[in-house]
Amino acid sequence: DGGITQSPKYLFRKEGQNVTLSCEQNLNHDAMYWYRQDPGQGLRLIYYSQIVNDFQKGDIAEGYSVSREKKESFPLTVTSAQKNPTAFYLCAVRDRGTEAFFGQGTRLTVV
Amino acid sequence: KQEVTQIPAALSVPEGENLVLNCSFTDSAIYNLQWFRQDPGKGLTSLLLIQSSQREQTSGRLNASLDKSSGRSTLYIAASQPGDSATYLCAVTRTGANSKLTFGKGITLSVRP
Repeated sequence: DGGITQSPKYLFRKEGQNVTLSCEQNLNHDAMYWYRQDPGQGLRLIYYSQIVNDFQKGDIAEGYSVSREKKESFPLTVTSAQKNPTAFYLCAVRDRGTEAFFGQGTRLTVV
Repeated sequence: KQEVTQIPAALSVPEGENLVLNCSFTDSAIYNLQWFRQDPGKGLTSLLLIQSSQREQTSGRLNASLDKSSGRSTLYIAASQPGDSATYLCAVTRTGANSKLTFGKGITLSVRP
């Protein structure tokens, strides 16, 4: 939404492969979040970052990794340790407790 | 641990009906509550944000209320239209301005012409 760009829109992963999902924002917001959405499960938090060079695990961090080297970028890597990665991944940003805004998502499928 | 519940999971109404979507949460120590809309295969669109000190917010045909003491929020949609068909999610932020959002599973609304 607005200044949040998630890419790619669709991603296919082979067994045992690491893949990286991109989330970029030009809203100059401090906080960024990664959520996973599965049918019937709602949104579950993977990782979040409140400032550059700092991030915290969410509820389902196992098998995922992140970095926050720049304020604008918060990439998510889905590692081979994530046994069931097929899902819809959503990135969100927020500034000082204001509205959270979401990107358009990346649909990851294991082939 | 904060838990957010939205019941029912699905709702079907005829066009023109006024309707209320419910959201309940277990921990009243919240910073704010936000309502979102999600169309199939898309990201979330923010509808309304209510800070913990507020009782309600309005935007067009939408009105959201917050009762922290009872752990409840409602989203009121006036004069529903087929274009309102979507999934509606609520999310709460616990104390801490940029701490995580905890989501309900959403209510899938279908407005019949």
